Amino acid sequence: NAGVTQTPKFQVLKTGQSMTLQCAQDMNHNSMYWYRQDPGMGLRLIYYSASEGTTDKGEVPNGYNVSRLNKREFSLRLESAAPSQTSVYFCASSAPGRSGNTIYFGEGSWLTVV
Amino acid sequence: GEDVEQSLFLSVREGDSSVINCTYTDSSSTYLYWYKQEPGAGLQLLTYIFSNMDMKQDQRLTVLLNKKDKHLSLRIADTQTGDSAIYFCVRAFGNEKLTFGTGTRLTIIP
Repeated sequence: NAGVTQTPKFQVLKTGQSMTLQCAQDMNHNSMYWYRQDPGMGLRLIYYSASEGTTDKGEVPNGYNVSRLNKREFSLRLESAAPSQTSVYFCASSAPGRSGNTIYFGEGSWLTVV
Repeated sequence: GEDVEQSLFLSVREGDSSVINCTYTDSSSTYLYWYKQEPGAGLQLLTYIFSNMDMKQDQRLTVLLNKKDKHLSLRIADTQTGDSAIYFCVRAFGNEKLTFGTGTRLTIIP
């Protein structure tokens, strides 16, 4: 039962470096999401993808790009990392069901930009 | 905008009941969720309630929804050490958008 798998779990970047966070889900969900979690601020949506081939900006998209490679995979790219992007990043996926649009989360990626 | 507010911290003695509260400003929710986040882990769905319900009970968990006051609460009966976590109140509207509260860190006192 893999669910939502994201890599890497931990990463330290220097300001200006680029990196890609990978995410894959095996639940055949159409919708996928990237959130960031900062202390005292809950989770904020960066980008989401309602289906393969589509992506939309969320609440805090600046400084990020995404790719919905196929139904399973949704990657998040930081082209030029900044200290303000130090955060915990969560990938998630969802599908409509009895409990509404239940979202399933990955275990998180801890990113530090120095 | 849409705000979901929670207290940041709650401490409860083991065996007592915990009540985590949440208030929101927009009444156009379809579902309201409680998610649990244990240290170093992702969020897991704990329970949910439809916006046309007032109460839902699931074993030790009771969710109360007061639509008039835009207030949601989660009661955990007989709180155990394993209940230590951050609890997020989440409201959903439409099919895609969720709004998260800031999370309440529940600490259990032995």
